[in-house]
Amino acid sequence: AQKITQTQPGMFVQEKEAVTLDCTYDTSDPSYGLFWYKQPSSGEMIFLIYQGSYDQQNATEGRYSLNFQKARKSANLVISASQLGDSAMYFCAMREGSNTGNQFYFGTGTSLTVIP
Amino acid sequence: GAVVSQHPSRVICKSGTSVKIECRSLDFQATTMFWYRQFPKQSLMLMATSNEGSKATYEQGVEKDKFLINHASLTLSTLTVTSAHPEDSSFYICSAHAGGLAKNIQYFGAGTRLSVL
Repeated sequence: AQKITQTQPGMFVQEKEAVTLDCTYDTSDPSYGLFWYKQPSSGEMIFLIYQGSYDQQNATEGRYSLNFQKARKSANLVISASQLGDSAMYFCAMREGSNTGNQFYFGTGTSLTVIP
Repeated sequence: GAVVSQHPSRVICKSGTSVKIECRSLDFQATTMFWYRQFPKQSLMLMATSNEGSKATYEQGVEKDKFLINHASLTLSTLTVTSAHPEDSSFYICSAHAGGLAKNIQYFGAGTRLSVL
């Protein structure tokens, strides 16, 4: 089974609108971390937001928020007030276990295009 | 945030030559670094985990003699693609785990685009 599933290969959003990128995960470990990264066409991977499995509140970082629904094993990324510069690939990732040096599992990504 | 420097950003080489890619953590010590390979429009594929002062751990299907990894210090890991062939052409990207920081984030380098002629 896939550890991370991103079901939206491509998404479009109007500038200044909000958009939700879906991510579901699969793990039996009670301790894990969930991450979102942005990859523009230049290739660099930019860290956006993190959610720990024991965190009680949804993570927020500026215009990014993570809709964490533990029972459903989903960790959707919400981008508010989309900007043209948000056009990029977005990857959801998970680190299993409490060892912070454990590897990350990445989803297949969602390509977001912001329309002016 | 923490910065990871990866060099070179792009390299073009002839078939049969070796290419070394460096990954440096600039403002933190990284006991663990990761090397990924990414094909166009695909996700990142973990190649190996690089541990400072010990041998790298390679993922299944990754030839350790083909992709040599050296993590000689807490701020530097290198990936050497030996006797490169056109099928090794890809985007290689490293990440470093900032173990001492909150949130246990992996920070990524800007990647290296390798083209083997």
